[in-house]
Amino acid sequence: GEDVEQSLFLSVREGDSSVINCTYTDSSSTYLYWYKQEPGAGLQLLTYIFSNMDMKQDQRLTVLLNKKDKHLSLRIADTQTGDSAIYFCAERIPGGTSYGKLTFGQGTILTVHP
Amino acid sequence: GAGVSQSPSNKVTEKGKDVELRCDPISGHTALYWYRQSLGQGLEFLIYFQGNSAPDKSGLPSDRFSAERTGGSVSTLTIQRTQQEDSAVYLCASSPSWKGYTFGSGTRLTVV
Repeated sequence: GEDVEQSLFLSVREGDSSVINCTYTDSSSTYLYWYKQEPGAGLQLLTYIFSNMDMKQDQRLTVLLNKKDKHLSLRIADTQTGDSAIYFCAERIPGGTSYGKLTFGQGTILTVHP
Repeated sequence: GAGVSQSPSNKVTEKGKDVELRCDPISGHTALYWYRQSLGQGLEFLIYFQGNSAPDKSGLPSDRFSAERTGGSVSTLTIQRTQQEDSAVYLCASSPSWKGYTFGSGTRLTVV
């Protein structure tokens, strides 16, 4: 079945690294995504990783995927106050010939303190 | 257009009234999705359109909810006889492929 879980809250100091964790249950997931939602805004795609990869780096963002444990993490280096937002993990399960839909976690509220 | 456009951005309605929410996806995006985000909740999938295929309606919470997509472009989500538990932010997204969605800013629906 489809179930994506994240811890609800993370608080870090400005300049430190943040690590947001996510677990998923469906081993047929093909792509996994991280989205960011700032207050009053829609969701913004940050990065994605294909299920046959174990790491992807994009500037301050590092995504790690442990497919055996169905564990995904997002590391934000040198976290800034502007990184304060809700971060959603999502998995895509293919739907036959269709792109399939994304199943989202509950979101992790990241608070960055000066 | 440059992004996914949703209207209205805010809607207050009386319990029992019908509402229509509109989504204008990015031109050329074949897939269109509706999600609902309630206070303190994650994103709940509602319905998904892709090309000419039959829509995936598996997430619609009741038969009061329906959606259509005309001409493979604009979509309308209709909620009939609104209830207070329908209050939420309704998010639309479109996608050209597997590369993830582009979301609109959402419609905040308040049922009083």
